[in-house]
Amino acid sequence: GQQLNQSPQSMFIQEGEDVSMNCTSSSIFNTWLWYKQDPGEGPVLLIALYKAGELTSNGRLTAQFGITRKDSFLNISASIPSDVGIYFCAGPSSGTYKYIFGTGTRLKVLA
Amino acid sequence: DSGVTQTPKHLITATGQRVTLRCSPRSGDLSVYWYQQSLDQGLQFLIQYYNGEERAKGNILERFSAQQFPDLHSELNLSSLELGDSALYFCASSLLGNRDYGYTFGSGTRLTVV
Repeated sequence: GQQLNQSPQSMFIQEGEDVSMNCTSSSIFNTWLWYKQDPGEGPVLLIALYKAGELTSNGRLTAQFGITRKDSFLNISASIPSDVGIYFCAGPSSGTYKYIFGTGTRLKVLA
Repeated sequence: DSGVTQTPKHLITATGQRVTLRCSPRSGDLSVYWYQQSLDQGLQFLIQYYNGEERAKGNILERFSAQQFPDLHSELNLSSLELGDSALYFCASSLLGNRDYGYTFGSGTRLTVV
């Protein structure tokens, strides 16, 4: 079945550093979503990508839809403590009406 | 506030018991999705309803069932609970039955089975 693998699984960074994470799929996607989950809360949609090669920003966050359509990238610039959380990528499951979610990247920011 | 309301927020119950989790979707959204998140795990899709009808089914155990009512709220019923059912259960909603617009998640119900 379709799988989404995210890397890294977790990362500790210093406040102010830039962060990069990626998500790869075993199959082609037409949509990529990036969500953030704060501890004890539900995931919140950060960025949605709908076209191969598309680059979209949301404040300090920038996401890219890979040109192979099998991957996507999320960058966070100048990280701050509130960036702590789990970042999930998601893509539409083929032939169904649901999204599948990646394994998540756990981000911890050291002040 | 995402607009998706889940109750209760926390639930502690014993093995073998039955519980009902409730979800009210965001106003105007017709589709409801249920996900399970075990400790330090990803989000596992359980089931989707669209305008009262089951639309897609994932890794949902036979001991679990769900329904969506005419007012579009949904309930997830978990029976014969086991320790391994302890998890965060999320409800999400979307405007249409298809997936193109992403989901809005609720804050979740944390179920602890003791």
